[in-house]
Amino acid sequence: DTAVSQTPKYLVTQMGNDKSIKCEQNLGHDTMYWYKQDSKKFLKIMFSYNNKELIINETVPNRFSPKSPDKAHLNLHINSLELGDSAVYFCASSQVRGGNTEAFFGQGTRLTVV
Amino acid sequence: GENVEQHPSTLSVQEGDSAVIKCTYSDSASNYFPWYKQELGKRPQLIIDIRSNVGEKKDQRIAVTLNKTAKHFSLHITETQPEDSAVYFCAASRGTSYGKLTFGQGTILTVHP
Repeated sequence: DTAVSQTPKYLVTQMGNDKSIKCEQNLGHDTMYWYKQDSKKFLKIMFSYNNKELIINETVPNRFSPKSPDKAHLNLHINSLELGDSAVYFCASSQVRGGNTEAFFGQGTRLTVV
Repeated sequence: GENVEQHPSTLSVQEGDSAVIKCTYSDSASNYFPWYKQELGKRPQLIIDIRSNVGEKKDQRIAVTLNKTAKHFSLHITETQPEDSAVYFCAASRGTSYGKLTFGQGTILTVHP
């Protein structure tokens, strides 16, 4: 009964390919996020959606395109993958109406671009 | 935007000792300060959080203190155990940011038996 689940867990692909990562939360939260964790373990926000609406779009190349078909799902599509995109991508969700609360993270997707 | 600095980057202690990790933040509007623990290959998980209207919070062996004036907050772990070994992240968030977390750089805590 996983709260935030993302697939796949591992993704190995060649440079130039296009790939997607899917995320779903069953917590009823109104806000979902994508975070990137680099090789030095630094966690940085990429995008945030609140009730399917894009709220935060950090300085991320436009090869990265998030899509939220409903408030329980937030997918990440990456075009023309580059070596530097290799990282662990975490989906997260939280309930922000009424004040910021705990963010629950998915298990992460380790993307390796070769 | 918000900037969070975390120290030390690595911390090694003997089992039973205390461990302290410190963070400073730059945005005076930040009002929510969570701490996450990330074990190797796992997801970050919340261990304790504090809001700006509170100066200290405790949960068993873990405590967090917040100094709003100085814009710093600290995590204290007492009676450390080997299973406390992990990467610890502090974070800051403001109420108008839809829960966006700005993380510190992380502290690798190693507890030696």
